[in-house]
Parts: sequence; structure tokens; C-alpha cells
Amino acid sequence: QKEVEQNSGPLSVPEGAIASLNCTYSDRGSQSFFWYRQYSGKSPELIMFIYSNGDKEDGRFTAQLNKASQYVSLLIRDSQPSDSATYLCAAGAGRRALTFGSGTRLQVQP
Amino acid sequence: KAGVTQTPRYLIKTRGQQVTLSCSPISGHRSVSWYQQTPGQGLQFLFEYFSETQRNKGNFPGRFSGRQFSNSRSEMNVSTLELGDSALYLCASSSGRVGSTDTQYFGPGTRLTVL
Repeated sequence: QKEVEQNSGPLSVPEGAIASLNCTYSDRGSQSFFWYRQYSGKSPELIMFIYSNGDKEDGRFTAQLNKASQYVSLLIRDSQPSDSATYLCAAGAGRRALTFGSGTRLQVQP
Repeated sequence: KAGVTQTPRYLIKTRGQQVTLSCSPISGHRSVSWYQQTPGQGLQFLFEYFSETQRNKGNFPGRFSGRQFSNSRSEMNVSTLELGDSALYLCASSSGRVGSTDTQYFGPGTRLTVL
């Protein structure tokens, strides 16, 4: 069974710190990877996608992909209380449906 | 560009009834995927429709069905509702092209409560 694994958390970081969220996947055929943020009671909101090894930066967010290790991460710099949410990692391959992890709950302490 | 819309936003039904949920994708998007999200099971894939054809299907019983219309709008139907069907049902829209960057954008969801 193709799986995406995430630590459920909560991951607690102080305001202004770097939050590091991690995700591993089992399907080596996965080609594209997505990070979604989901506030309680709301639907997932796309933050970033990445499909090449290395880093991809967008504002305070950096996604990192290491296909050899089957590992994806999301770094949030200068974390703010408004970043407190559940972060979902998803992996996709061609026409197959996305596979989502169960999410990591992030708490940013003021 | 308008986002993904889902109707209704909230539904309360009783066991044994059936329900139909609707999703309108982003203009120009041809693929619609449906997910069920519960606290215990997380985000579970139901099915995906592309150009009125079911392209992928998750591991749900036949009580869960869907369809897509020529304007890409999609509906999902759940028959003979069970208590365990209470969940947030999410629709996600994507362009549908085959490739490594077909990003999905979620609608606000329909919260279904089965009593």
C-alpha cells in the first residue's frame, strides 16, 4: 500500500522560530509533492508544490525534496501564531490519485 | 478567477437516507476529485472524474457514487446513510492534464452529519 507518513504532533515552536515539518513516502514512483495547510474546521489550502530534488523557496516557506531518501520537508521561517494549523503532505504520480499523510499539527506559541 | 464551490455547506440527515453533494470546479479545470475527511481516518480519496469519466477510485463501498457533467461540475451521492458517513466531504479541482504538476485546489467542503 502506497503511504505518506507524517508525525501527528503537535509540534510546538516559539514565535519567530523555524518550524520544520517532515514527511516520508513509500512509492518510489511519486513525482510531485504538495504541502497543504488546514485550519480547524476549514478545507486544505495549497502552500507549495515541489517535484525536483533540492529546495524551493516561496516567502517564509521552503520545501525540500530528497527522492533518494523518499523524504519531503517544509520549513517555515519566522513562525507566526497565524501559522498554527495542521499541515498535510501529499504525493502524486501521473494519473494516480494523490496520497495524503495524516497531517502534523503545528502550534506557534506567542 | 472564482474558486471551487461546494453546495450545500452543511447537511443533517438520518440513517438510511441518501444525499447528493455538488461541486463546481475552477473555470477551465476538467478534473474533480472527492475526499472524505474524518478525525480518525484523515483525508480519504473517494474518486476522481475527468471529462465525465471516472479516472480513479478509492476504497469505498458502492453506496458512494459520483458523476461529472459536460460543464465539469460534479456530484457525489451517498445512499443508505450510516452514522459513520458523518464527515467533511471535500471536492478538489485540477486541470486534469497528465504530468507532475497537476495541482489540486480544494473547495470549502460539505459538512455532513448523520443522526
